[in-house]
Amino acid sequence: DQQVKQNSPSLSVQEGRISILNCDYTNSMFDYFLWYKKYPAEGPTFLISISSIKDKNEDGRFTVFLNKSAKHLSLHIVPSQPGDSAVYFCAASARHTGKLIFGQGTTLQVKP
Amino acid sequence: DTGVSQNPRHKITKRGQNVTFRCDPISEHNRLYWYRQTLGQGPEFLTYFQNEAQLEKSRLLSDRFSAERPKGSFSTLEIQRTEQGDSAMYLCASSLASDGPLHFGNGTRLTVT
Repeated sequence: DQQVKQNSPSLSVQEGRISILNCDYTNSMFDYFLWYKKYPAEGPTFLISISSIKDKNEDGRFTVFLNKSAKHLSLHIVPSQPGDSAVYFCAASARHTGKLIFGQGTTLQVKP
Repeated sequence: DTGVSQNPRHKITKRGQNVTFRCDPISEHNRLYWYRQTLGQGPEFLTYFQNEAQLEKSRLLSDRFSAERPKGSFSTLEIQRTEQGDSAMYLCASSLASDGPLHFGNGTRLTVT
């Protein structure tokens, strides 16, 4: 039972353009959502999070949007840079547990 | 460096052997998590501790797996009688509280031959 799904295994974007990564979840108890970035041979690195009381959170080039009715969140990166090339994981938790459930990941390639 | 530290980085073992991994969390973090990641998948939750108490274990964690955090600081994950299906990246993470992001170490890659 995959509670968090990232349906696009890969995404290729030109440098300077917008990257949009998508994530869907099924568990209505989830109230805290995060995005992580992972480079090869390293652990996931926290990027940005959003609480279910908000629908948008922005940090520099990164913005996360949450649509609770659709149980969908997205990460926008603009402008995209070659250094953004990595695997991106979305994760969700019911906040009182602190336990994160991860999606399968989307590999982003930003071409110079 | 005050990040999460995991040792060893790589472990190759023969089927049937026991292995133990160590995780040193960020010092002020009271929550510690173990995850497992296989190729093409996201990290899968295994277990977590608040201080020295193990609060939850996943169904993925068979009785060959045991984790401890004896003094509420570092943690160990032991796998007994390893199987080839145990080959994966084992990730440790810590957090300050239940509502903060998890900070991950660089993992221990286990290969069972």
